[in-house]
Amino acid sequence: RKEVEQDPGPFNVPEGATVAFNCTYSNSASQSFFWYRQDCRKEPKLLMSVYSSGNEDGRFTAQLNRASQYISLLIRDSKLSDSATYLCVAQPQNAGKSTFGDGTTLTVKP
Amino acid sequence: EPEVTQTPSHQVTQMGQEVILRCVPISNHLYFYWYRQILGQKVEFLVSFYNNEISEKSEIFDDQFSVERPDGSNFTLKIRSTKLEDSAMYFCASSVNSADQETQYFGPGTRLLVL
Repeated sequence: RKEVEQDPGPFNVPEGATVAFNCTYSNSASQSFFWYRQDCRKEPKLLMSVYSSGNEDGRFTAQLNRASQYISLLIRDSKLSDSATYLCVAQPQNAGKSTFGDGTTLTVKP
Repeated sequence: EPEVTQTPSHQVTQMGQEVILRCVPISNHLYFYWYRQILGQKVEFLVSFYNNEISEKSEIFDDQFSVERPDGSNFTLKIRSTKLEDSAMYFCASSVNSADQETQYFGPGTRLLVL
């Protein structure tokens, strides 16, 4: 089983749509979670950290369920510029090693 | 805004040659990392580095790989004898510390092609 598993995608949605990505992690020692976005042939860039209480940043909402070892990302009112690959990332406590999921590709169409 | 920088952006080498990939982490960061991403695959952790020593490494990071902080600003990844399967994008990252929810900032990557 993969350590971090994401929806395989791809997701093709119209502008303005709401889209949700799911991610599960298998290592119960994981303590910190992030969503990164990666544009084609570019470096991963932090989109948002994921906190136990859930957190929101504009159109983006992240949720964490530690009991189910599940993380989600919701994008509301999607824009063309949201087209990218979204990477779910888990880290163990106080450790730098980040484990990435395979990524879920989103294409937002006019 | 401070950034992680990497050089070169592209490197082509012959199998069996040594390559050195260079990174300049963000200046007040203390933790440094190397990741790689083979084309079409996921980002994979290679090694983390703190206080002039390796703090963690993956099974990918075998004896052919080494890291060094030769001075106060550079962080390098050396591949001693490159193989075809080393062809990938190599990302350097840095963070202030390794605390929970500490963000790692990634450089733009070096695309390595081994022929």
